[in-house]
Amino acid sequence: AQSVTQLDSHVSVSEGTPVLLRCNYSSSYSPSLFWYVQHPNKGLQLLLKYTSAATLVKGINGFEAEFKKSETSFHLTKPSAHMSDAAEYFCVVSDTSGTYKYIFGTGTRLKVLA
Amino acid sequence: DGGITQSPKYLFRKEGQNVTLSCEQNLNHDAMYWYRQDPGQGLRLIYYSQIVNDFQKGDIAEGYSVSREKKESFPLTVTSAQKNPTAFYLCASSIRGLGTGAAKNIQYFGAGTRLSVL
Repeated sequence: AQSVTQLDSHVSVSEGTPVLLRCNYSSSYSPSLFWYVQHPNKGLQLLLKYTSAATLVKGINGFEAEFKKSETSFHLTKPSAHMSDAAEYFCVVSDTSGTYKYIFGTGTRLKVLA
Repeated sequence: DGGITQSPKYLFRKEGQNVTLSCEQNLNHDAMYWYRQDPGQGLRLIYYSQIVNDFQKGDIAEGYSVSREKKESFPLTVTSAQKNPTAFYLCASSIRGLGTGAAKNIQYFGAGTRLSVL
């Protein structure tokens, strides 16, 4: 069965410093992986996706993620945090065994300090 | 402006009452989904529909019902059988349904409905 683990439930960074949100996945198949962002009381917005093309994926708002098969990881990074990045971030693995159902991590809440 | 519209934004349910959450999309997507979000948990799939007049149970369908009479609309009813309905409910859609390839299954989300019990 496929699963995804977000290693930190909360992350705090100072504005202008790098962001690292960690995600590990478990999959018997070549996975598709996504990062979504959710601002308070809002829906989820797609940040970026990995679907077996380049392993370094660039997304919106300066975020990027690197697919590392050997480490079964798909960590989200940003060189310099902005106050508007404060939100909850979800790592998602798509079940590529046939149904392509989304399997969500439990989320990481990012706090950006002024 | 294309997107997914959920209404109402806030909803209150009385004991023993059924309530219906609306989800409308104008993206011409075939597939639609309902998720439940509880604090500290990821999203859990309630129901999904890959085509008009067809839908399947997700992981937590008990106490919920849906219909898909039009491509654009996928309403969710929270019935009185759902004993713990307080949650944030999110609707999503994708170009194609499950099993048709990851690229066509990217899901786009509405802004959500927060349901509370009176």
